[in-house]
Amino acid sequence: QQQVKQSPQSLIVQKGGISIINCAYENTAFDYFPWYQQFPGKGPALLIAIRPDVSEKKEGRFTISFNKSAKQFSLHIMDSQPGDSATYFCAADYGGSQGNLIFGKGTKLSVKP
Amino acid sequence: DTAVSQTPKYLVTQMGNDKSIKCEQNLGHDTMYWYKQDSKKFLKIMFSYNNKELIINETVPNRFSPKSPDKAHLNLHINSLELGDSAVYFCASSLDRESEPQHFGDGTRLSIL
Repeated sequence: QQQVKQSPQSLIVQKGGISIINCAYENTAFDYFPWYQQFPGKGPALLIAIRPDVSEKKEGRFTISFNKSAKQFSLHIMDSQPGDSATYFCAADYGGSQGNLIFGKGTKLSVKP
Repeated sequence: DTAVSQTPKYLVTQMGNDKSIKCEQNLGHDTMYWYKQDSKKFLKIMFSYNNKELIINETVPNRFSPKSPDKAHLNLHINSLELGDSAVYFCASSLDRESEPQHFGDGTRLSIL
């Protein structure tokens, strides 16, 4: 059972364009939704995160949009740069005493110069 | 200074052997984790551990066992290695089980011959 579904699997965007990655979740008990960025040979690193009490969070060129009723959230990367080329993972966490991140399957983003 | 460090970075071994991967964090965190990333880059939690409780993902074979000599270390022991154990293993830590974000090491690529 895949609790967090992520799409697309891969994405190619021109430099300066907008990259959009979507995720959907099933369990309404999730209360924390982070996005992680992973470069080849490195571990995932937290990029931006949101809790369900807000519908949008922006940090620099990165924005999370959250739709609680649809159980969906997305990552928007504005003015995409070649340095943004990486694999992006959405995730969800139950919070409380679980502390176990449930990851989506990842999106490999390539930004062409 | 590396926050979460794993050794070795690469591990090549024969089927049936027993091996260990070491993990150390210098962040003063109370909770540590092990994740498995398969060839399709899917990240899955294996264990979460603090000084009070070990939570094991029920899908993890009992050939895998975490050992924590102290709060800053969580090593992963694997007995009777199988071909399907080939993957990248990531250690992570967080302030406590309720806190985010999780900080990841750079992974150990395990290859079984």
